[in-house]
Amino acid sequence: AQTVTQSQPEMSVQEAETVTLSCTYDTSESDYYLFWYKQPPSRQMILVIRQEAYKQQNATENRFSVNFQKAAKSFSLKISDSQLGDAAMYFCAYRRPTTSGTYKYIFGTGTRLKVLA
Amino acid sequence: NAGVTQTPKFQVLKTGQSMTLQCAQDMNHEYMSWYRQDPGMGLRLIHYSVGAGITDQGEVPNGYNVSRSTTEDFPLRLLSAAPSQTSVYFCASSSRQGAILAFFGQGTRLTVV
Repeated sequence: AQTVTQSQPEMSVQEAETVTLSCTYDTSESDYYLFWYKQPPSRQMILVIRQEAYKQQNATENRFSVNFQKAAKSFSLKISDSQLGDAAMYFCAYRRPTTSGTYKYIFGTGTRLKVLA
Repeated sequence: NAGVTQTPKFQVLKTGQSMTLQCAQDMNHEYMSWYRQDPGMGLRLIHYSVGAGITDQGEVPNGYNVSRSTTEDFPLRLLSAAPSQTSVYFCASSSRQGAILAFFGQGTRLTVV
């Protein structure tokens, strides 16, 4: 069964510093996507970054980057130059195609990030 | 404003009551879905639709009903509310079934007492 594990329920980072959020997943598939979503106190789910499994290059979106280790099934999110607005719950998610032609998303349990001024 | 609109934002129900959570999108998206978010469990798929007139069950469909009579709307019905349905509900959409799920509503916090 596919699972997504976020082992850090809560993390803290000083403003302007760098923080890394961990995510591991379990799959036997070769074709899948991985995502990081941000959920600020407003509850809105925001897609931060995505990674296609067949791409070896790590995805980057401005201050957000990932470290994708396919063999180790690890997908961590690095936030550089942390800002107060980065404070949120972060969810790691995995997507794979199903045999019925649909797609299944599996979400981790989330990591709450606090940014200290 | 383009996007996914959910109503209401908050709701309290008594056990046994029924209600409908509304979800509308104005982006002409084919794919719409409902998730529930519970503490310590991430998001879980309740029902989804790949187009008007087509719906299917997700991971946790029991106690919920959906229909998709138009491309824009995808309401979620609680038939007889139970305390176990206390949760935060999200509607999400994408342009087609295989597209990335990037558009979410703001969520509905539902409490069943």
